[in-house]
Amino acid sequence: ETGVTQSPTHLIKTRGQQVTLRCSSQSGHNTVSWYQQALGQGPQFIFQYYREEENGRGNFPPRFSGLQFPNYSSELNVNALELDDSALYLCASSLRTGNNEKLFFGSGTQLSVL
Amino acid sequence: AQTVTQSQPEMSVQEAETVTLSCTYDTSENNYYLFWYKQPPSRQMILVIRQEAYKQQNATENRFSVNFQKAAKSFSLKISDSQLGDTAMYFCAFIAYSGAGSYQLTFGKGTKLSVIP
Repeated sequence: ETGVTQSPTHLIKTRGQQVTLRCSSQSGHNTVSWYQQALGQGPQFIFQYYREEENGRGNFPPRFSGLQFPNYSSELNVNALELDDSALYLCASSLRTGNNEKLFFGSGTQLSVL
Repeated sequence: AQTVTQSQPEMSVQEAETVTLSCTYDTSENNYYLFWYKQPPSRQMILVIRQEAYKQQNATENRFSVNFQKAAKSFSLKISDSQLGDTAMYFCAFIAYSGAGSYQLTFGKGTKLSVIP
């Protein structure tokens, strides 16, 4: 048990719609990262939030956006959904103390875009 | 570019036997950490073992150990006394610290390990 929870566990949307995925981090963790895992692939880094500010982004378009809240929860928003957005979305929280960071992953949200 | 290559898409091992999963990586950074993660059907990414790049001694964690060859940029995982619960996808990954910006995990494509009774 990592103490990181994601909701919902599964979601079905249609192309062009918007979706919000949620993550509740471990208490005290100041950093949250989001990853996209397509079928048969390893997770790909989407972006990271540190103390409620975006702190780095992978190769994802601006229609992927996020928020981190003071209560250790965070959101991943995806606008104008495309078929290729179908994937497992994982969040990982951590407490950044220098370069010794340990990530705790949630069980993910499986998004299907039809 | 930072990359991780896992050359074995699938492997199988008899229960109680030993298996080694291969991983090579590429980074220009000197300060980085290497990881093996396990992802069972529950989808949760579980940390198996971690290695600091500046440490020469190979990390061990109970039945799991690594063979870290820094010059060759190789980081293999050995699982001893394989158990049925070890059946899962295994991902090799690393975090490189460049002094600024985000600390992101770079993952390989994974190796599907099946432990056969």
